[in-house]
Amino acid sequence: EVQLVDSGGGLVQPGGSLRLSCAVSGLTVSTKYMNWVRQAPGQGLEWVAVIYGGGGTYYTDSVKGRFIISRDISKNTVYLQMNSLRPEDTAVYYCATSDQSYRGYFAYWGQGTLVTVSS
Amino acid sequence: EIVLTQSPGTLSLSPGERATLSCRASQSVSSSFLAWYQQKPGQAPRLLISGISNRATGISDRFTGSGSETDFTLTINRVEPDDFAVYYCQQYGTSVYTFGQGTKLEI
Repeated sequence: EVQLVDSGGGLVQPGGSLRLSCAVSGLTVSTKYMNWVRQAPGQGLEWVAVIYGGGGTYYTDSVKGRFIISRDISKNTVYLQMNSLRPEDTAVYYCATSDQSYRGYFAYWGQGTLVTVSS
Repeated sequence: EIVLTQSPGTLSLSPGERATLSCRASQSVSSSFLAWYQQKPGQAPRLLISGISNRATGISDRFTGSGSETDFTLTINRVEPDDFAVYYCQQYGTSVYTFGQGTKLEI
């Protein structure tokens, strides 16, 4: 059974930093496109970032230069380092991935972790 | 970036009716890489359809995806009470993925 467990959210002041973690079991993070997707309160879904099996990364424009997606293959865990946080980054952050290699749709989702950016 | 526009914003139906949800892309979606998701309050989204028309594991055949290039449709036949939720389309044909803004299916 595939499980993604998101953690690391919390309350942070504007300009601060936070690191989210996604612990994965049932699949190997180095063989899938691993993603972060967020959802602001009462709003729709927004894709944030992806790390490919080969290690390449892409980001949505609003987080480029501030967020970094990475992984630790030995721990089968994906991370999202969030710097220079803004109030508009407040959202539930989900880790998500496909059930197939080289595919960017999301068959598996974590439970989400809430990030609140406020003074 | 490909912009996805979903319509209508809200769809009001009764159980047993057919729901037709639209997703229009600002440019052609590469390699049929278009997916649909269902989300209920307080839950993570659930994959319904990938590759325009391929139902995910365990998804009822009442859900059908269709379309091509820039126009896509999710049809839900004989809507059931459990189907009332928000539905999102997503394209994954470029290195920057995007979602539509969602359609709320309500009673």
